[in-house]
Amino acid sequence: DAGVTQSPTHLIKTRGQQVTLRCSPKSGHDTVSWYQQALGQGPQFIFQYYEEEERQRGNFPDRFSGHQYPNYSSELNVNALLLGDSALYLCASSLAAASPLNSPLHFGNGTRLTVT
Amino acid sequence: DQQVKQNSPSLSVQEGRISILNCDYTNSMFDYFLWYKKYPAEGPTFLISISSIKDKNEDGRFTVFLNKSAKHLSLHIVPSQPGDSAVYFCAASGSTSGTYKYIFGTGTRLKVLA
Repeated sequence: DAGVTQSPTHLIKTRGQQVTLRCSPKSGHDTVSWYQQALGQGPQFIFQYYEEEERQRGNFPDRFSGHQYPNYSSELNVNALLLGDSALYLCASSLAAASPLNSPLHFGNGTRLTVT
Repeated sequence: DQQVKQNSPSLSVQEGRISILNCDYTNSMFDYFLWYKKYPAEGPTFLISISSIKDKNEDGRFTVFLNKSAKHLSLHIVPSQPGDSAVYFCAASGSTSGTYKYIFGTGTRLKVLA
């Protein structure tokens, strides 16, 4: 049973560049959420995709955008990178029809993004 | 606006004793509460959950208590083992637009001493 997979594992970018992170959800899941975890902080909700649409969004600027494909995989795009975007980016999947009791978020191991 | 707070950044406990991790929240609309454990270089893994209509849920060595009037939940680990050393995040979840959104606390680093 494949869990949540993210790529790449690590990434180094320069200020002003653009980056795309990828995520494949756990088998059977249809909803993908993205989180940013800065050093020493908890995961901060960026947005959530279901049925190829952004369903909910956290307090992140428009530089952060995403996409979900028909096979439920997802991408996170960040434009005009800032030094403060350096963080661990976590993808998590779940089943929309189920409550958190029956289908809690399953996380990938994350992508470590460093902006220099 | 931090809706979910974990006020203790770290906790050290002797092996075999009880570990108690605390979490407070501000939004009374949350329906579910969860605890996750995170080891270095791994994503958070689900540990235990509780519905807002319950006040206790137990799973082996792990018990979560919910006090709705105080907007407080806690995770008890008994007995604590060295392998429990990790960062623990509490999360609160509510439904909007047909899907559940999870808000996480800042985490508590638990160290179980052998």
